[in-house]
Formats: sequence, structure tokens, C-alpha cells
Amino acid sequence: AQTVTQSQPEMSVQEAETVTLSCTYDTSESDYYLFWYKQPPSRQMILVIRQEAYKQQNATENRFSVNFQKAAKSFSLKISDSQLGDAAMYFCAHDVIYGGSQGNLIFGKGTKLSVKP
Amino acid sequence: EPEVTQTPSHQVTQMGQEVILRCVPISNHLYFYWYRQILGQKVEFLVSFYNNEISEKSEIFDDQFSVERPDGSNFTLKIRSTKLEDSAMYFCASRGPFSRGNYNEQFFGPGTRLTVL
Repeated sequence: AQTVTQSQPEMSVQEAETVTLSCTYDTSESDYYLFWYKQPPSRQMILVIRQEAYKQQNATENRFSVNFQKAAKSFSLKISDSQLGDAAMYFCAHDVIYGGSQGNLIFGKGTKLSVKP
Repeated sequence: EPEVTQTPSHQVTQMGQEVILRCVPISNHLYFYWYRQILGQKVEFLVSFYNNEISEKSEIFDDQFSVERPDGSNFTLKIRSTKLEDSAMYFCASRGPFSRGNYNEQFFGPGTRLTVL
């Protein structure tokens, strides 16, 4: 079974500093995708960044970057120059596309990020 | 920019009643999903729908639940005989055609908050 584990229920960062959120996953598939979603208090799910497992290069989106370690099944999110608007729940998710699967996302339990001014 | 919409944003119902949650996916998308998030917990997959039938469903998606695409645009989730534990945020998502090497992400709607009293 596919699983996603986020071991940090809560994290805190000072504005303008850098923070790293951890995620590990388990899958027997070699071809899959990993995501970080942001969920602000409005509870809308917002895609932050995506990583394809077949790509060795770590994905980057402006201030957000990932450290993807395929052998270790680790997928951490780094937020640089943290801003007050980054405060939210962050969910790591895993998507497997194989056989007859329709690519259902599997989510971790989330990390609540607070940003201190 | 096209987006997934959901109505209502908040539904309050009495235990034992039936509710229908509505979603309008992005127009050229082919795959549709429902997810559930109980307050303070992770997002959980309920069901996926493709080609006018259920593709996959989770253990949560029992006989109490049903989905339908009644008119080619709406995608509905019906919950019969609601229970207190059905109180949650329900997210609809849709995606375009995808396969290995041709990935399309899932786009989430803003969610419907269901409160069962």
C-alpha cells in the first residue's frame, strides 16, 4: 500500500528565514509523482510544487524548492525568505499512475506552518 | 483561468437526512474525484469517476455514498442517511487526460463544508 508520512505536526519560522518541511513515502512503484499542497485557513487546496520521480533534478518554484531523495523515499519542501502569507497547513501527497489506476492522490497528515513577524 | 466550482460552500443537515454535494469540473477534463477531510485530519480519497462510471473507491465509500454525472457538466456526491461522523470538508477535483510521460495535475474545488447535527 502507498503511504505518506509527515513527521512534523507543527513548524514555526521567522519571517524572511528558511524552513524545511519533511515528508517520506512508501511505494513499490518506480513511476510516480510527488506534491506539496498548501491549505490556508480558507481550506482551499493549492498546489505548491510537483516532482516527477523519473527526474533527478529537484523541482523549484520561486521561493519553494524540494529535496527529492528517491532511494531514501524522502521528499522535503524548503521555503526560502518566508512570508506571513506562507502560514498554512502543508500536505505532502503521492500520485501513482499505473495499470488501471486513475491516479488517486494519497496525502500525509500535514504540517502546520506558523510564520512569526 | 478555468476552475473547479462546488456548491454549496457550507451545508448543514440533520442526522439521517440525505445531502447532495455538487461540483462543476473544468470543462475538458475527463477524470473526476471526491476527497474528504475531517477537521484537523488529512485529506482522504473517496472515489474516482471516469467514462460515466466509478473507476476506484476507497473503503470509506460504502453504500451510503453514490456519485453521478447527471448532465455532462455537474458531478455530484450523494450521502444518504447522514451520520455525525460525516461532518467534514468534501473536495471535488478534476483532471485532463494523463498517462506516463503526459501528466496532468488534479485541480481542486474550494470544498463544501458539511455539518451534520
